[in-house]
Amino acid sequence: NAGVTQTPKFRVLKTGQSMTLLCAQDMNHEYMYWYRQDPGMGLRLIHYSVGEGTTAKGEVPDGYNVSRLKKQNFLLGLESAAPSQTSVYFCASSQSTYSGANVLTFGAGSRLTVL
Amino acid sequence: GQQVMQIPQYQHVQEGEDFTTYCNSSTTLSNIQWYKQRPGGHPVFLIQLVKSGEVKKQKRLTFQFGEAKKNSSLHITATQTTDVGTYFCAGQGGSEKLVFGKGTKLTVNP
Repeated sequence: NAGVTQTPKFRVLKTGQSMTLLCAQDMNHEYMYWYRQDPGMGLRLIHYSVGEGTTAKGEVPDGYNVSRLKKQNFLLGLESAAPSQTSVYFCASSQSTYSGANVLTFGAGSRLTVL
Repeated sequence: GQQVMQIPQYQHVQEGEDFTTYCNSSTTLSNIQWYKQRPGGHPVFLIQLVKSGEVKKQKRLTFQFGEAKKNSSLHITATQTTDVGTYFCAGQGGSEKLVFGKGTKLTVNP
């Protein structure tokens, strides 16, 4: 099984450009998450989804949009990229939020640089 | 909202020394998880603790969950160079979301 796959792995954008990060999981997990990781800041939740067709805001949602049209896919969009969005982005999924089934499986990450 | 504090932020040890990272939550947790992220890699699940006072071991790693279920620790005995990376705790309280600590970055001098 591939687990959680993120594309692209690397991307360089200019300020104001838009892009979409794709996350795909093949574990039939209900929950999917997008995190960003910056030095010294740990993992901060951007948006998450509790099931197909649903999304919710996390800790740092501003400047990002998400969609979950299919259960296995969770897209993260940047409509107008800013240098502050330079970061490493991780997608994760979990079966549920109940103890024992709330373990996160992470993708390999997408490194985004905004010039 | 729920906050999870993790200390220290950095730890440098000589190979063979022990290492401990601590995690404290502002609220009582239903469970806590630990993840390891190797340099350039992604977080990988290590273990989950659910019960008050629980202690679990994985070879040289010992995980503890406090009696009040508000704190946890990860102890590594006799560190090896393969232990390098950042260790994160993640706690789940009343909300359905896991809240991550900022991590402890461990470096090991051979």
